[in-house]
Amino acid sequence: EAGVAQSPRYKIIEKRQSVAFWCNPISGHATLYWYQQILGQGPKLLIQFQNNGVVDDSQLPKDRFSAERLKGVDSTLKIQPAKLEDSAVYLCASSSSSSNQPQHFGDGTRLSIL
Amino acid sequence: GEDVEQSLFLSVREGDSSVINCTYTDSSSTYLYWYKQEPGAGLQLLTYIFSNMDMKQDQRLTVLLNKKDKHLSLRIADTQTGDSAIYFCAEKDSGNTPLVFGKGTRLSVIA
Repeated sequence: EAGVAQSPRYKIIEKRQSVAFWCNPISGHATLYWYQQILGQGPKLLIQFQNNGVVDDSQLPKDRFSAERLKGVDSTLKIQPAKLEDSAVYLCASSSSSSNQPQHFGDGTRLSIL
Repeated sequence: GEDVEQSLFLSVREGDSSVINCTYTDSSSTYLYWYKQEPGAGLQLLTYIFSNMDMKQDQRLTVLLNKKDKHLSLRIADTQTGDSAIYFCAEKDSGNTPLVFGKGTRLSVIA
């Protein structure tokens, strides 16, 4: 079974620029999550999708972050404009629709803001 | 809100057992997870336990849950240098909800 795929692996941009990350979940997984992991911390949820609908985006800084999952499969996360404090690893995870199924993570995108 | 606490560092000698501890505050936690993160990589699911269990064993890994004290531990038997990584404890309730993670415990294995 192929795992969660994310790209790019690394991205370096200057503050105030924009950036986008892509995630392809495990085939058949209805639930998709984007987490932000700041250095030295555990991952924190940004947004959760169930198929193509948003379940929880309460922690997403909506003035600069946006995410979509138009066809209920792939997802993109965008930051515009980026701030220095956005430097982090952005992790995508997916799980099947059953609540007792664990989440599987991709390798993440490491974002550095100069 | 929910909180998950872990000690930040643990150092053991190769061949010894490692015990990584975690405490959580959410009494509605239903699922408790252990993930491993190696440098530059994502989180690898190691094992998980339901709150109606008190122990789960999987090869070299043993998870113990004390639900009364909200305490979870991960024991790694015969620790190897390849076990060096950051180990995250995470919890979630019974809904289709996100994981709440601790800050991770960095395990260093000395040869």
